[in-house]
Parts: sequence; C-alpha cells; structure tokens
Amino acid sequence: QQQVKQSPQSLIVQKGGISIINCAYENTAFDYFPWYQQFPGKGPALLIAIRPDVSEKKEGRFTISFNKSAKQFSLHIMDSQPGDSATYFCAASDYGGATNKLIFGTGTLLAVQP
Amino acid sequence: DGGITQSPKYLFRKEGQNVTLSCEQNLNHDAMYWYRQDPGQGLRLIYYSQIVNDFQKGDIAEGYSVSREKKESFPLTVTSAQKNPTAFYLCASRLTLNTGELFFGEGSRLTVL
Repeated sequence: QQQVKQSPQSLIVQKGGISIINCAYENTAFDYFPWYQQFPGKGPALLIAIRPDVSEKKEGRFTISFNKSAKQFSLHIMDSQPGDSATYFCAASDYGGATNKLIFGTGTLLAVQP
Repeated sequence: DGGITQSPKYLFRKEGQNVTLSCEQNLNHDAMYWYRQDPGQGLRLIYYSQIVNDFQKGDIAEGYSVSREKKESFPLTVTSAQKNPTAFYLCASRLTLNTGELFFGEGSRLTVL
C-alpha cells in the first residue's frame, strides 16, 4: 500500500513534443504529490507539486493532472526541450502524518531529441 | 548561499571497510534524511532525523549508522555489514518533519572495489 508505481521507465520525445509520465498509488491517506527533476550527477530538485483538492496544476510548461478516484497522477511537459532531458521522480506522502515520509516512484529517464 | 553540502562526491573503498559520508546544511532545517539511489529503484529512505540527538530507521537501515550531534550535520556511515553498498547516496533536509519542501544535496557516489 506504500508503493508508488511510475511509468514509463524511459521516454524519448522529439523537441517540441509532449512528454507524459504517469504514477499510481494505493494509500488513500496520501495527500501531497510532488514531482522531482534530477540531472545526471546531481540531487533531485522539486519541480511541481499538487494537493488532492485540485485536479490540475500548471507551472509554465509543466502540468500535473490528478485523478483522485483512480488514484493516479501524471506530469505533462509541453513543448519539450533538450534541456528537459533528465530523470523525473513522482512521490507521495501524507502531508500531515506523523512522519510524512515521501514515497518515491522508480523514476523515468526522459530524453528530448533536438 | 543556503544549501546542503555532501562530501566526498566520489568515494572508493575496499570490501570490509567502513566509510562515512558527510552531510552539512545551512538552511536551519530541523529534519534531515539519507536516501539511497540505485538504477531502476528510485530513492529509498535509509535514516531520518527530526531533531538533534534523535534519529529513526527508514526502510533500508541495515548496514548503516548515523548520528545527529549538531543541527547542521547528519553523517552516514556505511558499515562492512552492508551487503551491497555501491550506490548513489543523497542527503536531504526539510524545515521540520511535517512542513516545507524537501531539499537534496548533490549526492555522494560510493563504489566498493
């Protein structure tokens, strides 16, 4: 119940295309869903996050779509650029919980071809 | 600049040796974490600490030890009991255990020869 399943494992997109990464969770207590971006040799950095009271959150070219009934959320990268090439991790936690541990997905390696 | 500093960035060790990874933060965060990253497995929590002199085991604590003697510092020791220590280790911190964004350091890559 603590798992977050992420797909695909890797993704190749042409410059200007849309990148879509999907995550699914089981624990209905989860109420905070961040996405992290990691470049090679670096630590992950928070990209965008959503709480379940909204179905979509957009920041620039990055959008999170959230489906509470299906227990799924996804990251959309519009007009993908070569600089977006990185590993993306979804995560989930119960924000107000005792430990508030973030459970991470297994990551998606995105390559945007010029 | 505020942030998290991990050292060394690369470390090689022979089997049977203990090694300590350093993590220092100047963000004035109470909570600190150690994660292990392996290809295809995401980030797995090793240990976390919500306050000085307190720390808790995460999901994969066996073969690791930590200390939290100062708010700014949370070193991780990879002991010889860790069966597969070659990995990328990430330190992170947060304002408290329940609030704020999780910030990561740049990681330490440990290779056991």
